Amino acid sequence: SYELTQPPSVSVSPGQTARITCSGDALPKKYPYWYQQKSGQAPVLVIYEDSKRPSGIPERFSGSSSGTMATLTISGAQVEDEADYYCYSTDSSGNPSFGGGTKLTVL
Amino acid sequence: EVQLVESGGVVVQPGGSLRLSCAASGFTFDDYAMHWVRQAPGKGLEWVSLISWDGGSTYYADSVKGRFTISRDNSKNSLYLQMNSLRAEDTALYYCAKDINGGPDYWGQGTLVTVSS
Repeated sequence: SYELTQPPSVSVSPGQTARITCSGDALPKKYPYWYQQKSGQAPVLVIYEDSKRPSGIPERFSGSSSGTMATLTISGAQVEDEADYYCYSTDSSGNPSFGGGTKLTVL
Repeated sequence: EVQLVESGGVVVQPGGSLRLSCAASGFTFDDYAMHWVRQAPGKGLEWVSLISWDGGSTYYADSVKGRFTISRDNSKNSLYLQMNSLRAEDTALYYCAKDINGGPDYWGQGTLVTVSS
């Protein structure tokens, strides 16, 4: 199956910028999506099609891509942003996959 | 408001079968493809299956291909997952999710499937 690679953990202080990466061979041609999952809750879409933000998602969340790497950036991370974050995309044949997830700690 | 409510999760023995359901509301159900995604206890998200808006195209993860069948009834705004030959490794919280251009956007709260003797 298609492998999307994320760092297991990222840690920042409140107000700092958090960057979470996702690497995959097909990312130059396939859009990444990003999900936030807080403990005990269902995932929430925070970025779709690389850089689009759904309504209701704060502007501090942004997405970008360069080559085989996509990045979720949280500018001015807040304590309430502490969560697991997952990237999602498809391989060149259209088969979907999630990354392994990144635990973001804000303290 | 988009709502997705999964049901049907229970404890089942290895080798058994189960059908999960997902009731959708708050959007035009037959305009959208739908996904099933699962999450084993303490683990990450695993994409399971996708069905097109009209049910004409279906896709599966290798881990469930040949054992699981996704379907939908647009007249009932409902999505289903028929799960056969269940294994211990199928134990997970199963989410249904609406599609936005190839990826899930809105998710339900999930239904728990436990495969154990």
